[in-house]
Amino acid sequence: EAQVTQNPRYLITVTGKKLTVTCSQNMNHEYMSWYRQDPGLGLRQIYYSMNVEVTDKGDVPEGYKVSRKEKRNFPLILESPSPNQTSLYFCASTGRTSGTVYEQYFGPGTRLTVT
Amino acid sequence: GNSVTQMEGPVTLSEEAFLTINCTYTATGYPSLFWYVQYPGEGLQLLLKATKADDKGSNKGFEATYRKETTSFHLEKGSVQVSDSAVYFCALSSSGGSYIPTFGRGTSLIVHP
Repeated sequence: EAQVTQNPRYLITVTGKKLTVTCSQNMNHEYMSWYRQDPGLGLRQIYYSMNVEVTDKGDVPEGYKVSRKEKRNFPLILESPSPNQTSLYFCASTGRTSGTVYEQYFGPGTRLTVT
Repeated sequence: GNSVTQMEGPVTLSEEAFLTINCTYTATGYPSLFWYVQYPGEGLQLLLKATKADDKGSNKGFEATYRKETTSFHLEKGSVQVSDSAVYFCALSSSGGSYIPTFGRGTSLIVHP
């Protein structure tokens, strides 16, 4: 079954304690991305990756890092989390279905609370 | 750059009412257009898509037509159910955005019995 998995699903942490949210896809997609979802702001892209070792900033990259050492994995790293990073995070994987049509598959989300 | 604008919610309807959620876009290249749905406590799922002008995407009773002349992709359903209560996101992808979708802010739909 084609899927995007994220872990953990829920995380409560304290300010400044480094954390990593993992993301993995089994569809051999080249493109992966991270979003955060906040009330009234919709989905905002944090980082995206077009292939192994190729990453780029999205709309709200401050305070986040990513890496893409393998095609299937795209972890999101918060080196020093702050309360304004409390949010719902989604990982997504984008693959071509035909011609120039690409579709995006989302993970189930990670709800992060930083106190 | 690419952008998507959709109507603000929440949209509140009674069961069996007609639904329209407006979506307009700006894009470079020839975009594909999507509607995603997010049910409470879940991630986003693709609801329907259209890949070229005048295409109509449809699924689960929802429809949207790709209108290039008005740069719109409005979501419609003839008779909503309580189970349709969710947040709906309009999105596009194009070569100008490296095919990573650009999303609208989402529209919350609440359907009352």
